[in-house]
Amino acid sequence: EPEVTQTPSHQVTQMGQEVILRCVPISNHLYFYWYRQILGQKVEFLVSFYNNEISEKSEIFDDQFSVERPDGSNFTLKIRSTKLEDSAMYFCASSDGGSLTGELFFGEGSRLTVL
Amino acid sequence: KQEVTQIPAALSVPEGENLVLNCSFTDSAIYNLQWFRQDPGKGLTSLLLIQSSQREQTSGRLNASLDKSSGRSTLYIAASQPGDSATYLCAVKGPTDSWGKLQFGAGTQVVVTP
Repeated sequence: EPEVTQTPSHQVTQMGQEVILRCVPISNHLYFYWYRQILGQKVEFLVSFYNNEISEKSEIFDDQFSVERPDGSNFTLKIRSTKLEDSAMYFCASSDGGSLTGELFFGEGSRLTVL
Repeated sequence: KQEVTQIPAALSVPEGENLVLNCSFTDSAIYNLQWFRQDPGKGLTSLLLIQSSQREQTSGRLNASLDKSSGRSTLYIAASQPGDSATYLCAVKGPTDSWGKLQFGAGTQVVVTP
């Protein structure tokens, strides 16, 4: 069964360092997303991406964050200068554009710990 | 602003009992509602998606109903098993939100005891 894959599963970094989280969405999907979940809190929308550009971003997604689809399969989230409060589980998700059901499929997540 | 609430926050039932999980949302103008399962430290697994025009969706032992006018959805899991132990999340998409922008509830943590 097709799935969304994410790497790394866990990354520990020092405050101020740059981090890149990687995702391979389901191959025929056209819409890509990043969400995050701070420990004990709700899953929060960060950004949606379609046709090589951001469709919508939340207030959380400030200038420290960027997304890219560098090739036909990968979708990345970069945090330029990490802060302690960026520690969270980051989920990549994708959905197709054909059926327009809007069903999202999530990856297993990348846990980011900022020290 | 849409608020999604799930009550109770936690639930423990003996194996074999039916599970009833509630989700409420403040703005009834939704495009769809999706139920997910989350195992500890893991990703979200999609269970059921209900479009705003639908009243319910079924998949195996799972049945989800939607009452848009009252801002509620209920997930029923029949004949619960220990493997059903997980956190169940509901999420809604607003009609004007970009594709895939979901508003999540905090989830209901379910424990099914053998």
